Amino acid sequence: GIQVEQSPPDLILQEGANSTLRCNFSDSVNNLQWFHQNPWGQLINLFYIPSGTKQNGRLSATTVATERYSLLYISSSQTTDSGVYFCAVVNTGTASKLTFGTGTRLQVTL
Amino acid sequence: NAGVTQTPKFQVLKTGQSMTLQCAQDMNHEYMSWYRQDPGMGLRLIHYSVGAGITDQGEVPNGYNVSRSTTEDFPLRLLSAAPSQTSVYFCASSYSSVLGAPRTEAFFGQGTRLTVV
Repeated sequence: GIQVEQSPPDLILQEGANSTLRCNFSDSVNNLQWFHQNPWGQLINLFYIPSGTKQNGRLSATTVATERYSLLYISSSQTTDSGVYFCAVVNTGTASKLTFGTGTRLQVTL
Repeated sequence: NAGVTQTPKFQVLKTGQSMTLQCAQDMNHEYMSWYRQDPGMGLRLIHYSVGAGITDQGEVPNGYNVSRSTTEDFPLRLLSAAPSQTSVYFCASSYSSVLGAPRTEAFFGQGTRLTVV
């Protein structure tokens, strides 16, 4: 099946810093989503981005499907950004089955 | 707009007991699925359904049963709970990905934290 790798696995930032999270995938996809799992365990949809670039406030994401990677940018980080960020993809031709990466754990400190 | 609703939020079972985790969505999505999340890991697919009356196995189906009698509901049954099934369970729904279908963005419920002792 498709492999999804995220980097870095762990990240510690001071409040106000910027960061880039990466997601590499091993096959063609027709869906790519970024999620934030907050400290209470909720999965929050950040972006639905099978290709192109999107921005939502301090967050933006870019997917280059032909090169099989996606990037999540967090600018001016806040303590509420702490948690785990997951990338998940749907391999082309596999119905809607999402395959998750193992996540990037982000801690933002004061 | 309720989205995807899971019940219960927390549950403790004894080894060998059975139970059903409930999942309902009000977005008229065809595709529904169950995932489990274990510490330090991503989510792994247990079972999924592409529409009422149709279910199939995911990556980790052993010990779980599902059925899909309506578009809205997709319950997950644990037949005889084992400590290895201690996990957080998530239900998700989306449109199907058949050619020409709308975007297949998945929406998740709030999760059920299950402990088997």
